[in-house]
Amino acid sequence: QVQLQESGPGLVKPSQTLSLTCTVSGDSISSGNSYWSWIRQPAGKGLEWIGRIYFSGSTTYNPSLRSRVTMSVDTSKNQFSLKLSSVTAADTAMFYCAREGFSGWFDPWGQGTLVTVSS
Amino acid sequence: EIVLTQSPGTLSLSPGERATLSCRASESVTSNFLAWYQQKPGQAPRLLIYGASSRAIGIPDRFSGSGAGTDFTLTISRLEPEDFAVYYCQHPWTFGQGTKVEIK
Repeated sequence: QVQLQESGPGLVKPSQTLSLTCTVSGDSISSGNSYWSWIRQPAGKGLEWIGRIYFSGSTTYNPSLRSRVTMSVDTSKNQFSLKLSSVTAADTAMFYCAREGFSGWFDPWGQGTLVTVSS
Repeated sequence: EIVLTQSPGTLSLSPGERATLSCRASESVTSNFLAWYQQKPGQAPRLLIYGASSRAIGIPDRFSGSGAGTDFTLTISRLEPEDFAVYYCQHPWTFGQGTKVEIK
């Protein structure tokens, strides 16, 4: 059974960089059979895809966030990570990591981690 | 950029009733890439339907998806108490705004 688990600080100060890691179990990132994505959801609102990474390190980012997003992968730890720079209160959200199939759907998802941007 | 518009915003139904949720794309999309998710309060979304009409593993057969081009539908044939949730359609890498199915 594939499981994903997000981890990282729950509170980030404005203008700083948000950093999260997703640990994958039950599947190997280096198998190359999926992409690995980040998705966020502000409280009470809809879902926004942030970007994805392949085991090779190749990335695709949401154009609306591209200037602030960096993703990386550590196949030795079976983890992938997200950095979002210059955060503001508008970046406060539940952040999910998910496995993305080659046809673009997300399954499974991590349980999510809430990140609040506040001083 | 493709925009997905879901309707209605909220659907008020009773257990046992049929739910019909709509997802309309701003331009024609490939059915292979159309998915539906269910999200319950405090939980991550769960994949229900992929490729517009294929049920994900473990999804009951009361859930069905259909459609092509710009118009897609998620149907729940008979609502069970656990089906009251928010449903999202998705086409890489865009989500609809969601339809809430609430108990009438």
